[in-house]
Amino acid sequence: AQSVTQLGSHVSVSEGALVLLRCNYSSSVPPYLFWYVQYPNQGLQLLLKYTSAATLVKGINGFEAEFKKSETSFHLTKPSAHMSDAAEYFCASAGGTSYGKLTFGQGTILTVHP
Amino acid sequence: DGGITQSPKYLFRKEGQNVTLSCEQNLNHDAMYWYRQDPGQGLRLIYYSQIVNDFQKGDIAEGYSVSREKKESFPLTVTSAQKNPTAFYLCASSNSPGQTNYGYTFGSGTRLTVV
Repeated sequence: AQSVTQLGSHVSVSEGALVLLRCNYSSSVPPYLFWYVQYPNQGLQLLLKYTSAATLVKGINGFEAEFKKSETSFHLTKPSAHMSDAAEYFCASAGGTSYGKLTFGQGTILTVHP
Repeated sequence: DGGITQSPKYLFRKEGQNVTLSCEQNLNHDAMYWYRQDPGQGLRLIYYSQIVNDFQKGDIAEGYSVSREKKESFPLTVTSAQKNPTAFYLCASSNSPGQTNYGYTFGSGTRLTVV
């Protein structure tokens, strides 16, 4: 079974600092990988996705993630944090051979300090 | 615009009562899903459906039931057998992994509280 691990349930950064949210997946076959953002009492908004095209994926709001097969990782980064980036972030994976059940990590709450 | 609509946004249930959460999509997606979200536990899959009139249990199906009579609709019933139903429920849909725009779309959620 697939699993997704997000390292760090809480990450705190200063405004303007680098954002790094870590995600590792376990799968015998490179899966589809997603990062979502969730604001309080709202649904999930897609930031970016990896579908085996390019290993460096650029998303919305200045976020990007790099797929590293050797490290089974898909870490999310943003060069300069903004106050509006404060939210909860979820990494998720899905199987690539059929309709995949989306498996989520536990989530990382990002706090941005002025 | 295409999307997923969940209703109601807030729902209150009395002990021993069944309640039904609505989920409708106009994206022409074949697959639909229900997730439960609790603080610190991420999202856990309750039920999913890949085609009309067919659905499968997810990881935490006990105390829940679903139907898929139409492609656009995938309602979730929280039965009295679910002992801890207070949570945030998210519905999602997806198209096929073979399509170039493959992905999942989420509704805005229903917060269910037992009173």
